[in-house]
Amino acid sequence: DSGVTQTPKHLITATGQRVTLRCSPRSGDLSVYWYQQSLDQGLQFLIQYYNGEERAKGNILERFSAQQFPDLHSELNLSSLELGDSALYFCASSVAARLAGLNEQFFGPGTRLTVL
Amino acid sequence: AQSVAQPEDQVNVAEGNPLTVKCTYSVSGNPYLFWYVQYPNRGLQFLLKYITGDNLVKGSYGFEAEFNKSQTSFHLKKPSALVSDSALYFCAVRDGAGGSYIPTFGRGTSLIVHP
Repeated sequence: DSGVTQTPKHLITATGQRVTLRCSPRSGDLSVYWYQQSLDQGLQFLIQYYNGEERAKGNILERFSAQQFPDLHSELNLSSLELGDSALYFCASSVAARLAGLNEQFFGPGTRLTVL
Repeated sequence: AQSVAQPEDQVNVAEGNPLTVKCTYSVSGNPYLFWYVQYPNRGLQFLLKYITGDNLVKGSYGFEAEFNKSQTSFHLKKPSALVSDSALYFCAVRDGAGGSYIPTFGRGTSLIVHP
């Protein structure tokens, strides 16, 4: 158990809909990362937050957004969903953004999103 | 820019035999290198990392990796494979020269250990 929790574990929805994925980082970790894992694209970095502020952006679509709250939990919002958005979405946390490249990341169990 | 390559989509090995999962990287400065493992329906789990120092890094579950600067490689190894080692393995790199603090992950190598 990494100490990172994600809810829900599974999500099935229809095209055009909007969903919210939730992540709670390990106790003491200030930095949260979101990744998308699909068979054809591999593990893609979406976005990073550190102590409530956006720190880095990766291959995140404009239809997607995220935020980190004062209690450090984070939410990833996916809107106008398309079939191609079906994937595993992982949240990870680490101690601090400044040392992010030196410290390993701790991954949650993921949310499997299926868009029908 | 930083990049990482895992040249093998799949590695097959018999239980008890040594295993190697390959990783090569490209960075401007010094590399910070990581290996993660993903078991079915689970998140990635940290195995080991190289930041500086000894080229041979020991990690969890008997795994080790050798940093080779001249060959820009960081291959994952284990002397004797177990069936329970069967999983997806990811190599990741971050360029110590600065820029993004976000590591780049390889596409993963599926390790299959046969009984």
